[in-house]
Amino acid sequence: DAKTTQPNSMESNEEEPVHLPCNHSTISGTDYIHWYRQLPSQGPEYVIHGLTSNVNNRMASLAIAEDRKSSTLILHRATLRDAAVYYCILRENYGGSQGNLIFGKGTKLSVKP
Amino acid sequence: KAGVTQTPRYLIKTRGQQVTLSCSPISGHRSVSWYQQTPGQGLQFLFEYFSETQRNKGNFPGRFSGRQFSNSRSEMNVSTLELGDSALYLCASSSGQGPHTEAFFGQGTRLTVV
Repeated sequence: DAKTTQPNSMESNEEEPVHLPCNHSTISGTDYIHWYRQLPSQGPEYVIHGLTSNVNNRMASLAIAEDRKSSTLILHRATLRDAAVYYCILRENYGGSQGNLIFGKGTKLSVKP
Repeated sequence: KAGVTQTPRYLIKTRGQQVTLSCSPISGHRSVSWYQQTPGQGLQFLFEYFSETQRNKGNFPGRFSGRQFSNSRSEMNVSTLELGDSALYLCASSSGQGPHTEAFFGQGTRLTVV
């Protein structure tokens, strides 16, 4: 079963920031927090990942709570192309294996022009 | 560089037949995983291969099998197809192992069983 909890859907206006929350209260010390998104009719796309510290890349920022039981994906300026299902995933350390990605239902983000 | 390539993109098969799907990972990537996506169950992990060895397997019946070749290309096979096997099958590759690596997905193969 998925170990993360996300809202089913969210709406945003174009050009505005979007904060996508994720709860993962059972996270262990070695689990990485990954975010992927899936645009319509495409395979999932990697967005960002982190362990303890906040992370930034060209696509988004990831804010991780101090106790690591929750995180927030931040899209700084939403565009219509950001409309997708966003998945928050805990990636476990299988001691050498990449560990399978356990996808939950994700959050469907709609962006209004 | 070229992304993950899955072939064919679309496939229609009859119940009882078998099917083989192919995945070519990004050049240099040695880890390949397979996922099944259906409207009801979402994205579910099938199996993971690294250097021709199966490292992890999801909770699917034995009709689902896979393999990886020395060039890292991977195939998955489904025998005795059932209507419920209709799904989007996705392949993902990674450059290495460990939970900090990112996975790159292909466009998927849409399998329809009639």
